[in-house]
Amino acid sequence: KAGVTQTPRYLIKTRGQQVTLSCSPISGHRSVSWYQQTPGQGLQFLFEYFSETQRNKGNFPGRFSGRQFSNSRSEMNVSTLELGDSALYLCASRAGQTGITEAFFGQGTRLTVV
Amino acid sequence: AQSVAQPEDQVNVAEGNPLTVKCTYSVSGNPYLFWYVQYPNRGLQFLLKYITGDNLVKGSYGFEAEFNKSQTSFHLKKPSALVSDSALYFCAVRSRTNAGNMLTFGGGTRLMVKP
Repeated sequence: KAGVTQTPRYLIKTRGQQVTLSCSPISGHRSVSWYQQTPGQGLQFLFEYFSETQRNKGNFPGRFSGRQFSNSRSEMNVSTLELGDSALYLCASRAGQTGITEAFFGQGTRLTVV
Repeated sequence: AQSVAQPEDQVNVAEGNPLTVKCTYSVSGNPYLFWYVQYPNRGLQFLLKYITGDNLVKGSYGFEAEFNKSQTSFHLKKPSALVSDSALYFCAVRSRTNAGNMLTFGGGTRLMVKP
C-alpha cells in the first residue's frame, strides 16, 4: 500500500508569490491534516479536512488555506509569501474520523522563501 | 487548550544501554497519546499510541511507553539502544473531546546513541 505522497518535495519561491502544495493520502483514508514544521516553532497544526469539509483550523493567518477533493487528495495554498513561511510542510492522513487512529505522515514539502 | 512538554532537547546514551525520552502533557479529559520519530529529511514515522487499557504500550522497533495518569506523563523507553535509533522523537496528544484530528506536539527530543 502506497504511503502519503506530497508534491513537490522542494520549492523555492520569492517573497510575495503564492504557492500550492499537494498531498495524496493513503488509499481509503478520508482525513487529511497539514502541519508546519520550523526550527523555532516546532510542529504546528494548520488544518484538517474530512470528506471535503474543513473540521479544524490552527492559528495561522488567512493567507494559509486548503481544500480537499472528492478523491480525498488535498491541497494547501499560501498567498503573499513571507520569509517566515519557510518551513517543512507535512501532510498526514488517517483512516477514520475518531481520535483513536494514528496519523501517517508524508515526507513533506520543503518550502524556501527568498 | 492542550500542550505537550519534552523537557530534554537532547538525550545521549551508549549503544546497548536503556533509553528514556520524557514527555508530559496537559489536556482536558482523558488523552490519546502518540510517539513519532523523524529521521533527517523525512516525515514523521508512527511508533506507538496509548488509547485506553494497559498503561504499558508496546510499539515498533522495540520501543515502549508508559502512561501515568497521575503524573500526566508518557515516557518513551527502550531496553537496549541501537545506533540506528538516533533521530528526533516527538510526543503528541489529542484530546478525546476534540472532534477533529488536531495533534499537539512537543518540541522534540534528539536522541544520540553512541557506539
